[in-house]
Amino acid sequence: EDQVTQSPEALRLQEGESSSLNCSYTVSGLRGLFWYRQDPGKGPEFLFTLYSAGEEKEKERLKATLTKKESFLHITAPKPEDSATYLCAVRINTGGFKTIFGAGTRLFVKA
Amino acid sequence: NAGVTQTPKFQVLKTGQSMTLQCAQDMNHNSMYWYRQDPGMGLRLIYYSASEGTTDKGEVPNGYNVSRLNKREFSLRLESAAPSQTSVYFCASSYGIVIEGGSYTGELFFGEGSRLTVL
Repeated sequence: EDQVTQSPEALRLQEGESSSLNCSYTVSGLRGLFWYRQDPGKGPEFLFTLYSAGEEKEKERLKATLTKKESFLHITAPKPEDSATYLCAVRINTGGFKTIFGAGTRLFVKA
Repeated sequence: NAGVTQTPKFQVLKTGQSMTLQCAQDMNHNSMYWYRQDPGMGLRLIYYSASEGTTDKGEVPNGYNVSRLNKREFSLRLESAAPSQTSVYFCASSYGIVIEGGSYTGELFFGEGSRLTVL
């Protein structure tokens, strides 16, 4: 069964304390892995797309990496405004447009 | 640009009532989607429309119907609401094309959500 698992469920950091979020997946025919950010009461907002193992993408304090089994979202020196839920999603080749989402990691950054 | 606009933002229904969630996008995207989001679970696809004139079931289509009214608009209808349909509903769109041997969707752009409570 195609599955996406994110860990931890919640992460509390002090401002400036770097850490990583994990997204592991077991799917057939991966056609892209996506990271989104979701603020309370809002829709998810696109951050990155990764297509192949070894690929990396960066945006400000965020860096996403991809292996054959998992992806990491590294947060360097986070700030309180980085507090949000981070969602991982994989697009699979079913001949259609299927994207499977993980349950998300809630990140809290304290000043 | 407004992006993806959903209405209503909040709705309370009684069991058995019907309602329609409206969604419109102004990005000239081909593909549109309806997801539901429940606590502790990922976003789950209800229905999608790869292009104008087509609709297909997602993971959790039971109890819902959709209409792709035109390229901009994609509505979700609950014919007889049940408490299990209490959720936050998100509409999304993407640049999607179908090519020989596969398809390409691009990233999803989401609306702000519609919070539905069924009593």
